[in-house]
Amino acid sequence: GENVEQHPSTLSVQEGDSAVIKCTYSDSASNYFPWYKQELGKGPQLIIDIRSNVGEKKDQRIAVTLNKTAKHFSLHITETQPEDSAVYFCAASSLNGQNFVFGPGTRLSVLP
Amino acid sequence: SAVISQKPSRDICQRGTSLTIQCQVDSQVTMMFWYRQQPGQSLTLIATANQGSEATYESGFVIDKFPISRPNLTFSTLTVSNMSPEDSSIYLCSVGPGLSYEQYFGPGTRLTVT
Repeated sequence: GENVEQHPSTLSVQEGDSAVIKCTYSDSASNYFPWYKQELGKGPQLIIDIRSNVGEKKDQRIAVTLNKTAKHFSLHITETQPEDSAVYFCAASSLNGQNFVFGPGTRLSVLP
Repeated sequence: SAVISQKPSRDICQRGTSLTIQCQVDSQVTMMFWYRQQPGQSLTLIATANQGSEATYESGFVIDKFPISRPNLTFSTLTVSNMSPEDSSIYLCSVGPGLSYEQYFGPGTRLTVT
């Protein structure tokens, strides 16, 4: 089955700097890759996603890149703000958008 | 995206008892899922709640322990049966509108078993 790895497990950046989180997946059949942000005491919130027929997607300060050959995808956050502090999860899916397999998460701290 | 609510938001239960968690969506959705998030960990899919048929369980999860109902396109329940302290987790429902691959999560139910 699918296995998703995520690095780093924790990340601290200064406000205004950029943050990058990387994920790798094992199943070449995976074709959908969402990113979720989870704040303390809340459910995960979908922030951006990418499909296998696209190499890059951007939404304001966040972007996701996908390298299907290498089987890895990354989340990029620019101009970080304290409210970006949260745990971020990547996921991969290969069955018509069902059966998400999540990475272990990255705890991002943005220092003012 | 759909608005999803869960009840209860949290509970403390005694070993050996059962708890039923409700998930309500403000619009009809094709897919509903139940996840478990153990303390400080990632999310693990328990089962897919199918409307009008039995749920589809992932490896390591069984119907006797986690019975699921899905009576219509906006509501589902997950029961955690014969609880032990190892069942202490956050239980999350998610929905897939069916038009695309996205899944949206509810706020979660924080369960502590003593």
